[in-house]
Amino acid sequence: DAGVIQSPRHEVTEMGQEVTLRCKPISGHNSLFWYRQTMMRGLELLIYFNNNVPIDDSGMPEDRFSAKMPNASFSTLKIQPSEPRDSAVYFCASSWVGGQINYGYTFGSGTRLTVV
Amino acid sequence: AQKITQTQPGMFVQEKEAVTLDCTYDTSDPSYGLFWYKQPSSGEMIFLIYQGSYDQQNATEGRYSLNFQKARKSANLVISASQLGDSAMYFCAMRVGGTSYGKLTFGQGTILTVHP
Repeated sequence: DAGVIQSPRHEVTEMGQEVTLRCKPISGHNSLFWYRQTMMRGLELLIYFNNNVPIDDSGMPEDRFSAKMPNASFSTLKIQPSEPRDSAVYFCASSWVGGQINYGYTFGSGTRLTVV
Repeated sequence: AQKITQTQPGMFVQEKEAVTLDCTYDTSDPSYGLFWYKQPSSGEMIFLIYQGSYDQQNATEGRYSLNFQKARKSANLVISASQLGDSAMYFCAMRVGGTSYGKLTFGQGTILTVHP
């Protein structure tokens, strides 16, 4: 199993540009989560999907952020337009959720986003 | 609402000694799971150990053990025989049962430094 795959690993973009982060979850997992990590705010849950359906997007900072999961093997997080304060590490994680709750998350390696 | 608190921003330990990282949690849900993750300087999130709210015994995984005190709502991580490679950020996290679809809430983290 290749684990959760995120791309790109690093992204540097100019303010105002559109940024798209990609995630491939572990096959068989039914839930996918997008987190953002900053020094000031720690790990924040942005949005999560269950069976490809967005369940809770209350952590999405504002309308500039959007996320999709068109199928069980792919998700995107888009920022348009990007701003310097969006600079952070963005993690995607997947898990099996249902019944027992002793299934941990598997995290991707993260995307380090820098908006200049 | 669920909350995780890690009160130690940083901890220092001598190599080969044991160290305890504190974690307290708050939830009204009787069914929940507690997790510890390690984040080395390379940035990936590594799952260490899990404790379920109904588990009778404290969880152990190699040099890691979880000191679970349900009445006090604490889930401290104990690392025995510390190694230089244990230097990292450590996160405590909680996931509740019910219909929350597995949302994982993280504490702010503790930076552990192991001295030779």
